[in-house]
Amino acid sequence: AQSVTQLDSQVPVFEEAPVELRCNYSSSVSVYLFWYVQYPNQGLQLLLKYLSGSTLVESINGFEAEFNKSQTSFHLRKPSVHISDTAEYFCAVSESGFNKFYFGSGTKLNVKP
Amino acid sequence: GAGVSQSPSNKVTEKGKDVELRCDPISGHTALYWYRQSLGQGLEFLIYFQGNSAPDKSGLPSDRFSAERTGGSVSTLTIQRTQQEDSAVYLCASSSGRNSGNTIYFGEGSWLTVV
Repeated sequence: AQSVTQLDSQVPVFEEAPVELRCNYSSSVSVYLFWYVQYPNQGLQLLLKYLSGSTLVESINGFEAEFNKSQTSFHLRKPSVHISDTAEYFCAVSESGFNKFYFGSGTKLNVKP
Repeated sequence: GAGVSQSPSNKVTEKGKDVELRCDPISGHTALYWYRQSLGQGLEFLIYFQGNSAPDKSGLPSDRFSAERTGGSVSTLTIQRTQQEDSAVYLCASSSGRNSGNTIYFGEGSWLTVV
């Protein structure tokens, strides 16, 4: 079974500063990787995902994540955050061929003016 | 429907009572998942349905928990003899197929409080 580690439970950052939310997973077998976001008082929604191909994937709102197989990581980054990015971010992993998703414990991003 | 619908959105129950939580997935989605999110914790996998069958129910924490899915659509998660540690948000999600690369879509959850 996979385990997903999000080391930072909370990340405070000022508006327009860069941010990186870290995610590591346990197994090096063929995996699919996801970041989900939960805005205040809303359900989880997909932010971006890596299935294959280019290891760098981007979302429509400026986030990007890079799949690093050797380090079993899928860190999420944004070069300049907005107040509206304040939310909880969850990293998730599924193994190819197995329809089961493993989630990290979440990172609360708090963007301050 | 347009999205995953869960009911009730909030439930307060007394310890020892049974509760039923309902999930109506996106129309046409064959895969359905139940997760539990406790305060300060990540999402804990409970059970996965493909159609009406549950190939993976390994996450159900005890025999007080059960789930069923009928007609390949609506699912019900039942918790018998609720305990205070059952208090959590119960999230349902669905996806369109068997491919684990498919996006899963979440409902807004059912907040359960056991007093």
